[in-house]
Amino acid sequence: GAVVSQHPSRVICKSGTSVKIECRSLDFQATTMFWYRQFPKKSLMLMATSNEGSKATYEQGVEKDKFLINHASLTLSTLTVTSAHPEDSSFYICSANRDSRTDTQYFGPGTRLTVL
Amino acid sequence: SQQGEEDPQALSIQEGENATMNCSYKTSINNLQWYRQNSGRGLVHLILIRSNEREKHSGRLRVTLDTSKKSSSLLITASRAADTASYFCATGSGGSNYKLTFGKGTLLTVNP
Repeated sequence: GAVVSQHPSRVICKSGTSVKIECRSLDFQATTMFWYRQFPKKSLMLMATSNEGSKATYEQGVEKDKFLINHASLTLSTLTVTSAHPEDSSFYICSANRDSRTDTQYFGPGTRLTVL
Repeated sequence: SQQGEEDPQALSIQEGENATMNCSYKTSINNLQWYRQNSGRGLVHLILIRSNEREKHSGRLRVTLDTSKKSSSLLITASRAADTASYFCATGSGGSNYKLTFGKGTLLTVNP
């Protein structure tokens, strides 16, 4: 199956700093990537849809100035958590569609963010 | 309540037994997918069933879809300890850029 990677897998930062998380499709091109957030023992909540070469589409209630998304190439999308606070601590997961003809999304392994 | 709700929330069985998890949803869908997540890890796609399909098999997995009842079930036969994980259903709708809406998940524990 298709492979999606995320980096870093874990990050601990101080309150007020910004953190960048990368999502890469390793063996396919992805025009669309998705960013999810997951709290402990909870489901995944879609944050935004990342479109290559255009602005991301954010879900209701997600601050676009807080969570900056850049999808600069067909294999890379980045999520930057700006001025992180402890309440931003969470598990962030990205996924990618291989192509529009298939419905399957391939998920990255996730990034555990802890803000002190 | 949310689109794609699974029940039970937690299920504990013995190795070799079958595990059945159910998912209900509220709006019309293009497809329904089941994913597995080991603790602290990403999601692994298990199986996708389209809205015009009623049943699908993949190895020890069997998925059914009843669009009239807006529900789906995932059956894992002859379970193994390695099947211990959280299982999520996700519904897809819309155009070519499919957005998935996830349920709350079922935590399956298979005891050796």
